Amino acid sequence: AQSVTQLGSHVSVSEGALVLLRCNYSSSVPPYLFWYVQYPNQGLQLLLKYTSAATLVKGINGFEAEFKKSETSFHLTKPSAHMSDAAEYFCAVSVYSGGGADGLTFGKGTHLIIQP
Amino acid sequence: EADIYQTPRYLVIGTGKKITLECSQTMGHDKMYWYQQDPGMELHLIHYSYGVNSTEKGDLSSESTVSRIRTEHFPLTLESARPSHTSQYLCASSEYKGQGAGETQYFGPGTRLLVL
Repeated sequence: AQSVTQLGSHVSVSEGALVLLRCNYSSSVPPYLFWYVQYPNQGLQLLLKYTSAATLVKGINGFEAEFKKSETSFHLTKPSAHMSDAAEYFCAVSVYSGGGADGLTFGKGTHLIIQP
Repeated sequence: EADIYQTPRYLVIGTGKKITLECSQTMGHDKMYWYQQDPGMELHLIHYSYGVNSTEKGDLSSESTVSRIRTEHFPLTLESARPSHTSQYLCASSEYKGQGAGETQYFGPGTRLLVL
């Protein structure tokens, strides 16, 4: 079975500063990894995903993540935080069996706070 | 832009009532999912479907049931609601494009359920 650990339930950064949200995974087979963002009272929106094509993945809104197999990590970064980045961020993993993925396994989420 | 809809968005209901949460998608996706999300917590998969007449239980045990009579529709039913069912329920869908493609799950806006 796979699992995801997100370090830090809350992360606070100043506007314009680097954003770093940490995610470590556990999987017995090569995983597919995702970062989703959730704004208040909304569903989840995909930021980016890793599918083994490239270890550095670029997503929407200036976010990117790097897959490091040796560290079993998939940390999310953004060079310069914007007030609109304040939201809940979820890291998720899926693996394939038979006809496809059987759903995502999510981390507990990281609440990103942007200080003006 | 994902075309997946959930109704109602908010529901307050008394204990013992039967409720059905609706989920529809217009993307023609074969696979659909239901996740349960408690406040400030991660999402847990409670049901999924590979297509019409296919339903499977997810990782988290749930007293709810689902049906998949039409590709676009995946309703979730609670026969007798209890306060322990108070949560947010998120529906998602995806399309299997073969191993290595990395399925993207598209999420609806969620239904917030409060059982008194």
